Amino acid sequence: EVQLVQSGAEVKDPEKSLKISCKGSGYSFTSYWIGWVRQMPGRGLEWMGIIYPGDSDTRYSPSFQGQVTISVDKSISTAYLQWSSLKASDTAMYYCARHVYGGVPTAMYMDVWGKGTTVTVSS
Amino acid sequence: SYELTQPPSVSVSPGQTARITCSGDALPKEYAYWYQQKPGQAPVVVIYKDSERPSGIPERFSGSSSGTTVTLTISGVQAEDEADYYCQSVDSSDSSGTYGVFGGGTKLTVL
Repeated sequence: EVQLVQSGAEVKDPEKSLKISCKGSGYSFTSYWIGWVRQMPGRGLEWMGIIYPGDSDTRYSPSFQGQVTISVDKSISTAYLQWSSLKASDTAMYYCARHVYGGVPTAMYMDVWGKGTTVTVSS
Repeated sequence: SYELTQPPSVSVSPGQTARITCSGDALPKEYAYWYQQKPGQAPVVVIYKDSERPSGIPERFSGSSSGTTVTLTISGVQAEDEADYYCQSVDSSDSSGTYGVFGGGTKLTVL
């Protein structure tokens, strides 16, 4: 079974750092892009960025460039999303999702999703 | 930045047909995708590449495209279809790369 298992909920103080994870299984982890989607409380989905585990090629939405870092450790089939200095506005649910990406015209969509990691930033 | 526009809400009675639209300038040349999200759950793709249906998605879900508007149609709506629906496409207008973009979402209410 193809699945993405995300790390548990986090509660952090502002200005602290944080790294959440997403472990893939049941498929060739290095053959699919994997990315992150934010959903703030009561709001819609926001695409943050993706990484290709095969070569760590990374793309960010302009809205999130410089705000977060996406990384991967292909030896353990795990992708990461990290912040160096959290803000209250980072409070949200974060989903990782396997991306089908490529072709002409470019296809990009999310076919497998993790259950989400809740991040709460509050003093 | 590129935007996809959806109506905030659509309401239908059980057994009727629900149509949810999504508008974007690049949709004539980029594929659109549709996701269903029920409360407390992760999204699930219900339509990909404008009109393809993944295995396991009921046949009552269909997608179509016309110009700058794509439409998700749910025929014979059932109570279990009540959810938020998001369209998604790509923004390839930036020379530095291709990015995903979501519409604002549409809440489907089954009366």
